[in-house]
Amino acid sequence: GAVVSQHPSWVICKSGTSVKIECRSLDFQATTMFWYRQFPKQSLMLMATSNEGSKATYEQGVEKDKFLINHASLTLSTLTVTSAHPEDSSFYICSATGGWGTDAETQYFGPGTRLLVL
Amino acid sequence: DAKTTQPTSMDCAEGRAANLPCNHSTISGNEYVYWYRQIHSQGPQYIIHGLKNNETNEMASLIITEDRKSSTLILPHATLRDTAVYYCIVRVVGFGNEKLTFGTGTRLTIIP
Repeated sequence: GAVVSQHPSWVICKSGTSVKIECRSLDFQATTMFWYRQFPKQSLMLMATSNEGSKATYEQGVEKDKFLINHASLTLSTLTVTSAHPEDSSFYICSATGGWGTDAETQYFGPGTRLLVL
Repeated sequence: DAKTTQPTSMDCAEGRAANLPCNHSTISGNEYVYWYRQIHSQGPQYIIHGLKNNETNEMASLIITEDRKSSTLILPHATLRDTAVYYCIVRVVGFGNEKLTFGTGTRLTIIP
């Protein structure tokens, strides 16, 4: 139980294009989803927190107009990197809370999406 | 959330118990201790969490000192697949959307 998936697992795009990453809770309804970013040899950094049906809360320094988050249902959140540039190349990871039969506040993580912007 | 301190790296022989320490001397009464691990190029995997009692599950055991200022994660019979970065995180529980703050963790290497 408490499985989170992400799609795609990796993506390569040209500079200036937009990329959408999906995060799904497969066997539970996620009341809250989180988006993290991890650069090589660094730890995870939280980008934003989203609750179903409401606007995401962004961490300081994260541009909300560049990283669009939509949490339209209890099982799906999307992160869109708009006008991507090479410095946006990173490992993007989502997590979700709200599992059935588990500690509802434990965050379960997806496998991550590796983005390379050329 | 309280800050944690972990050794940068550790080695453990395959088949032996791996004991990973974590200091959280400023932990407050309503903060839990969580452990996650991240295998190379994957998302973090939840291992275990606790408040003040020792906890055990199919993956590991968590020993929390009586004053709650430190804890130890124990992997009873380490295998090569346990090679990963292990993160000790303290966080408040009760509001549903409390974020996790990841430090640098301990890089555990299991030696054949």
